[in-house]
Amino acid sequence: AQKVTQAQTEISVVEKEDVTLDCVYETRDTTYYLFWYKQPPSGELVFLIRRNSFDEQNEISGRYSWNFQKSTSSFNFTITASQVVDSAVYFCALSGQYGNNRLAFGKGNQVVVIP
Amino acid sequence: DTGVSQDPRHKITKRGQNVTFRCDPISEHNRLYWYRQTLGQGPEFLTYFQNEAQLEKSRLLSDRFSAERPKGSFSTLEIQRTEQGDSAMYLCASSARAGTGWNEQYFGPGTRLTVT
Repeated sequence: AQKVTQAQTEISVVEKEDVTLDCVYETRDTTYYLFWYKQPPSGELVFLIRRNSFDEQNEISGRYSWNFQKSTSSFNFTITASQVVDSAVYFCALSGQYGNNRLAFGKGNQVVVIP
Repeated sequence: DTGVSQDPRHKITKRGQNVTFRCDPISEHNRLYWYRQTLGQGPEFLTYFQNEAQLEKSRLLSDRFSAERPKGSFSTLEIQRTEQGDSAMYLCASSARAGTGWNEQYFGPGTRLTVT
């Protein structure tokens, strides 16, 4: 079975502060994908990143960065210099590479950026 | 490029009534997924199609739920004899083939169901 744990439920930060969201996963698959999705108040899940289990390189995209550490089964997400528009629920998810590729989601982190 | 669309966006129904939701995936996306999301939780997998074939159903999908994807294009999700516990956001997602695997899933805006 695949499982994703996002420990913090709600995180409040003041605008321009950095915020890091932790994601710990469990899987028996040797090959898998990790994802982050953003769900703003409008409700639509927005894809942010997909990471293959063989690629442990960290990634940066604008103010977003991701740290993948296979040794600790973690795929953490950092928003640098947060903005009010970053206020949303962020979900970490996991899928196998083969088969149905169903996504197993964590419970999400509610990020509130205070102006 | 048109994204995944879902209709209706909101549905309020009385307990015991039947409801049907529609999902139009991104054009040429072979796989279509249905998820259910309740308040404060992440989405949970319900079922998925590859083209017109329904390949897997979650145990969450009771006999009152049925999904179809005729001709491998749009999909419908029907709930018969709705119960208050069915109140949730129903999300549809689609993905495209990528080599031997599949690309990331793109989600629609969801249909929020309220059963009174």
